[in-house]
Amino acid sequence: QLQLQESGPGLVKPSETLSLTCTVSGGSISSSSYYWGWIRQPPGKGLEWIGSIYYSGSTYYNPSLKSRVTISADTSKNQFSLKLSSVTAADTAVYYCARHNGATCCGGMDVWGQGTTVTVSS
Amino acid sequence: EIVMTQFPATLSVSPGERATLSCRASQSVSSNLAWYQQKPGQAPRLLIYGASTRATGIPARFSGSGSGTEFTLTISSLQSEDFAVYYCQQYNNWPSFGQGTKLEIK
Repeated sequence: QLQLQESGPGLVKPSETLSLTCTVSGGSISSSSYYWGWIRQPPGKGLEWIGSIYYSGSTYYNPSLKSRVTISADTSKNQFSLKLSSVTAADTAVYYCARHNGATCCGGMDVWGQGTTVTVSS
Repeated sequence: EIVMTQFPATLSVSPGERATLSCRASQSVSSNLAWYQQKPGQAPRLLIYGASTRATGIPARFSGSGSGTEFTLTISSLQSEDFAVYYCQQYNNWPSFGQGTKLEIK
């Protein structure tokens, strides 16, 4: 059974870089059948897609975040990662990793991690 | 940017009744539309993709319809576990979500 698990610091200082990793178990991120993505949800608000990656390294980013976001994959560890630079309080959210259903970006997300809360505060 | 608008914001329905949730796109997204269910403290759960295809393990009481700019999620006979927040998401362009509809018990 495919499982995704986010990990990383729960507290990040303003202007610093948020770094999270998603570890995939029960399946391989090197599969040609899927894209892998990051989504976030500020407290009490809706969902925002951050970006997605294919195992080959192809990436797609939300234009509103593109200048601050880097998503990468480490196929040897079966992980993909998110870096968000120059964070502010507006980046405080629950961050989810997920698998896109389908071999093209960026369709419905059928498997999700449990989410990790990141707070931006000094 | 494609803006997704969901209505109503809150829907009050009695168990056993039908619920109809709507989602409108600011421009055509063809059938590139998904629906999710989210309960408090949980990750979203994919219900529908391709506007009308149920995801694996989703009960038949959930159905999706529409194409272009107008979409509907119908829950035919509400069960207690169906009361939650529902989001639509388009993926015709870079993905964007609606603001959600809260389905509450009447």
